[in-house]
Amino acid sequence: KQEVTQIPAALSVPEGENLVLNCSFTDSAIYNLQWFRQDPGKGLTSLLLIQSSQREQTSGRLNASLDKSSGRSTLYIAASQPGDSATYLCAVYGGSQGNLIFGKGTKLSVKP
Amino acid sequence: EAGVAQSPRYKIIEKRQSVAFWCNPISGHATLYWYQQILGQGPKLLIQFQNNGVVDDSQLPKDRFSAERLKGVDSTLKIQPAKLEDSAVYLCASSFQGGNEKLFFGSGTQLSVL
Repeated sequence: KQEVTQIPAALSVPEGENLVLNCSFTDSAIYNLQWFRQDPGKGLTSLLLIQSSQREQTSGRLNASLDKSSGRSTLYIAASQPGDSATYLCAVYGGSQGNLIFGKGTKLSVKP
Repeated sequence: EAGVAQSPRYKIIEKRQSVAFWCNPISGHATLYWYQQILGQGPKLLIQFQNNGVVDDSQLPKDRFSAERLKGVDSTLKIQPAKLEDSAVYLCASSFQGGNEKLFFGSGTQLSVL
């Protein structure tokens, strides 16, 4: 059974810092991995999708990497801003289960 | 492009009552998902539709939950009767064809069962 773990559960940083969010998964037979952002009381917004054949994806200040063999992904946020404050969720598709499996998320707070 | 629409935004009911949620996916998206997100947890898939057929409902508590997607567009999710542990945010998502693509989520319906 696929399990997705995100560390840390919460993170508070001062504005301007570069930071890394971690995601690990137990079954490496995945098709893709997605990073989502969730603002309080809102739905999820897809930030980056990495196919299993890819190593990384970039969008603006965000860079996500995927190491399928070790079951790990990282989301790197450069020059963090207060507007980046949200919960970031990692989800994998494939493996033993044919649907998207989510981690519990990392709650990020960027202080001005 | 209009996003995934959901209603209502909030619902408060007493246990043993029934409730229904509505979702309108992005136009042209064949795949529609209903997720349940309990506070502090990641979303959990309840049911996945491909057009108007069910692809996966293995985690849907079928004794109390039901869902339909008539004409392969709008969908409704119903709970009858509700239990306290059904308190959660119910999220609808859609994608063009299936799981190997980006999912687009609605804002969700926050359900409180008292």
